[in-house]
Amino acid sequence: EAGVAQSPRYKIIEKRQSVAFWCNPISGHATLYWYQQILGQGPKLLIQFQNNGVVDDSQLPKDRFSAERLKGVDSTLKIQPAKLEDSAVYLCASSLDGTGVEKLFFGSGTQLSVL
Amino acid sequence: AQTVTQSQPEMSVQEAETVTLSCTYDTSESDYYLFWYKQPPSRQMILVIRQEAYKQQNATENRFSVNFQKAAKSFSLKISDSQLGDAAMYFCAYRRRDMRFGAGTRLTVKP
Repeated sequence: EAGVAQSPRYKIIEKRQSVAFWCNPISGHATLYWYQQILGQGPKLLIQFQNNGVVDDSQLPKDRFSAERLKGVDSTLKIQPAKLEDSAVYLCASSLDGTGVEKLFFGSGTQLSVL
Repeated sequence: AQTVTQSQPEMSVQEAETVTLSCTYDTSESDYYLFWYKQPPSRQMILVIRQEAYKQQNATENRFSVNFQKAAKSFSLKISDSQLGDAAMYFCAYRRRDMRFGAGTRLTVKP
């Protein structure tokens, strides 16, 4: 089966610019996650969708980050305006229904460098 | 808040030997799930093994096994017969509602 697709793989922007990342989860997966992974740290959950509704966005910096999952399939994460500290790998993951011991399937991430 | 601590930033093992990666977590819940994920240079996180907290029996997956000590809130990963392909970052994760990860352990396998 096809895995979680993410694009672009790399992105370099200057601070105060905007950027968007795209994620297409595994077909049939209701739950979609965006994680931020800063160099040397573990992934941190930014937002979790169940179909097209938000389950958890408590760690999303809402003054500059936004995400949407229209039609409950693919998703876009946007940063506007970007700051230097946003430099990180942004990982998208999906799972069938987001519960229990169910595993998450991850994409290869987008590496963002903010100069 | 639940936190996951991996106290070993780096570990090294000789090929074919055994290595144990440590993980502790903090929670007041009794029902939760624990995971070990592997992240190679490709950045794609891959599930290695998982454990339900209500199960006393330690999970095993081929060369990978865990030592789950619920009272001590400890969840270590043992890799037996280490292979060069095991070299990667390893992340311990805790899930009650959302999944929280530790800072990771970089495993090097020496030929």
